[in-house]
Amino acid sequence: EAQVTQNPRYLITVTGKKLTVTCSQNMNHEYMSWYRQDPGLGLRQIYYSMNVEVTDKGDVPEGYKVSRKEKRNFPLILESPSPNQTSLYFCASSWRGNEKLFFGSGTQLSVL
Amino acid sequence: TQLLEQSPQFLSIQEGENLTVYCNSSSVFSSLQWYRQEPGEGPVLLVTVVTGGEVKKLKRLTFQFGDARKDSSLHITAAQPGDTGLYLCAGAGTYKYIFGTGTRLKVLA
Repeated sequence: EAQVTQNPRYLITVTGKKLTVTCSQNMNHEYMSWYRQDPGLGLRQIYYSMNVEVTDKGDVPEGYKVSRKEKRNFPLILESPSPNQTSLYFCASSWRGNEKLFFGSGTQLSVL
Repeated sequence: TQLLEQSPQFLSIQEGENLTVYCNSSSVFSSLQWYRQEPGEGPVLLVTVVTGGEVKKLKRLTFQFGDARKDSSLHITAAQPGDTGLYLCAGAGTYKYIFGTGTRLKVLA
């Protein structure tokens, strides 16, 4: 089954404790991206990757890092999480970056 | 910064009523997508419109792309409880997607 898998689904952490949210897709998509969803603000793009080893900033990249060492995986790293990064995070992929996005089921992150 | 404004933000209607959701921008997009998101899940694509003036139908849902490719609308005929969800429009450029703030629709039986 074609899917985007994110883990974990829920995460509670404390300020400053590094964390990684994993994302994997099994559709051989070149393009992957991360979004955060906040009430009243919609989905905002954090980072995206056009292919292996090629990444670029979205609209809200501050406080986040990404890497794309393999085509299928695109982890989101928060080196020093802060409470304002409490949000619902989605990973998504598509063939080339301007087509249908396939989304994961989301990761609800709370930073205390 | 490109922005997509959706209206209304919230909509609660009775089963069988019609409704229209609007998605407006001051920017031109090469294509515009509509997604529906249900609680606990990621958004799922409903349709992509590409050509100015284009109209696409998906059963009781009708999508229209404005002539200038800056705005779009979603019309639902005879809404059903299964239509309940968050509707998002998204402007797609090269590698960047700009999402609207969403319209939360609740259809009461």
